[in-house]
Amino acid sequence: NAGVTQTPKFRILKIGQSMTLQCTQDMNHNYMYWYRQDPGMGLKLIYYSVGAGITDKGEVPNGYNVSRSTTEDFPLRLELAAPSQTSVYFCASSHSGTGKNTEAFFGQGTRLTVV
Amino acid sequence: GESVGLHLPTLSVQEGDNSIINCAYSNSASDYFIWYKQESGKGPQFIIDIRSNMDKRQGQRVTVLLNKTVKHLSLQIAATQPGDSAVYFCAENIDNFNKFYFGSGTKLNVKP
Repeated sequence: NAGVTQTPKFRILKIGQSMTLQCTQDMNHNYMYWYRQDPGMGLKLIYYSVGAGITDKGEVPNGYNVSRSTTEDFPLRLELAAPSQTSVYFCASSHSGTGKNTEAFFGQGTRLTVV
Repeated sequence: GESVGLHLPTLSVQEGDNSIINCAYSNSASDYFIWYKQESGKGPQFIIDIRSNMDKRQGQRVTVLLNKTVKHLSLQIAATQPGDSAVYFCAENIDNFNKFYFGSGTKLNVKP
């Protein structure tokens, strides 16, 4: 199993440009998440999904969109990039259901710089 | 190990000593907690978890303690090694949808 795979690893965007951060997992996890991590800070939840076709906002959803057409993929879309979106983005997935070990498995991150 | 704004608190320990990293969580309804380790340039990795019906859980060289009265978690690492140098985050699960909220993290620096 590859686990959680994110692409690209690095990207520089100009203000106003758009891009999609790709995330795929091969563990058949229902739950998937997007977090951003600013320098020296913890992770902030942007969006999450509890299954294909279902998405919901996290703590900091403004400026982002997501879709979940398949169990495996959970892309994050930035429509109009702003300098405030300069961050490291992590995708994660986890098993569903309570009473189980439900730790999230993280990808390696995408370092995005908006200039 | 409390968050102090933009600067990660740092804990420096000598190799071989025990480390204790602390975390305060915010929601008394949280029922599941995880400690993650994040090495430089990598995503967070699971270390150990604990449910709210427990006070203590032990793993290999690591122990997590939960004090629900004061909403406090700690991670104890025995015989700290250079490979333990990383940033450590606690995460709390606030509802049943596996939506985890992370603390700001503590940087552990192990001196040889």
